[in-house]
Amino acid sequence: NAGVTQTPKFQVLKTGQSMTLQCAQDMNHEYMSWYRQDPGMGLRLIHYSVGAGITDQGEVPNGYNVSRSTTEDFPLRLLSAAPSQTSVYFCASSNAGGRYNEQFFGPGTRLTVL
Amino acid sequence: AQSVAQPEDQVNVAEGNPLTVKCTYSVSGNPYLFWYVQYPNRGLQFLLKYITGDNLVKGSYGFEAEFNKSQTSFHLKKPSALVSDSALYFCAVRDGAGNNRKLIWGLGTSLAVNP
Repeated sequence: NAGVTQTPKFQVLKTGQSMTLQCAQDMNHEYMSWYRQDPGMGLRLIHYSVGAGITDQGEVPNGYNVSRSTTEDFPLRLLSAAPSQTSVYFCASSNAGGRYNEQFFGPGTRLTVL
Repeated sequence: AQSVAQPEDQVNVAEGNPLTVKCTYSVSGNPYLFWYVQYPNRGLQFLLKYITGDNLVKGSYGFEAEFNKSQTSFHLKKPSALVSDSALYFCAVRDGAGNNRKLIWGLGTSLAVNP
């Protein structure tokens, strides 16, 4: 199994540009989430999904969209990039049972917005 | 309100010495507690968890953690530190009350093990 994969690993955008961060998992996990990691702020949840067709907002959803058309994929879209979105983005998944189960993380995407 | 605190931004320990990384939490129901480790330029990796049962939980790479309900703590420990243990450690808690599935994360503790 590849686990959780994320592409790209690095990205530089100009303010106002849009892009999609890709996330895929091959473990048939129902629960998937996106986090951003910033120095001194730990991990903050952007959006999450409890299954295909179901998404919900986390604590910092503004400026981001998600969709979950399949169990495997959970892309994160930046609508109009801003310098405040410069961060490292992690996708994570866990299987059904949610509360008890650990999350598996992807390697991250380092995004810089100029 | 649900919260997790990791009171130390950084912990320094000599190789071969025991290490402790502290975590305290606040939830309304029973806590589900997790420790994760992040090596430089990598994603987080699961170390161990406490759901119920024995207060001493053993995990990956020789780490263990002790759940203390009265002190609302879940400190991470290892009897003998290795230089390769140097990394960022995160504590996280999920509130067992209701149907809440969201994890509350601590801000992380940077562990430096000196040779």
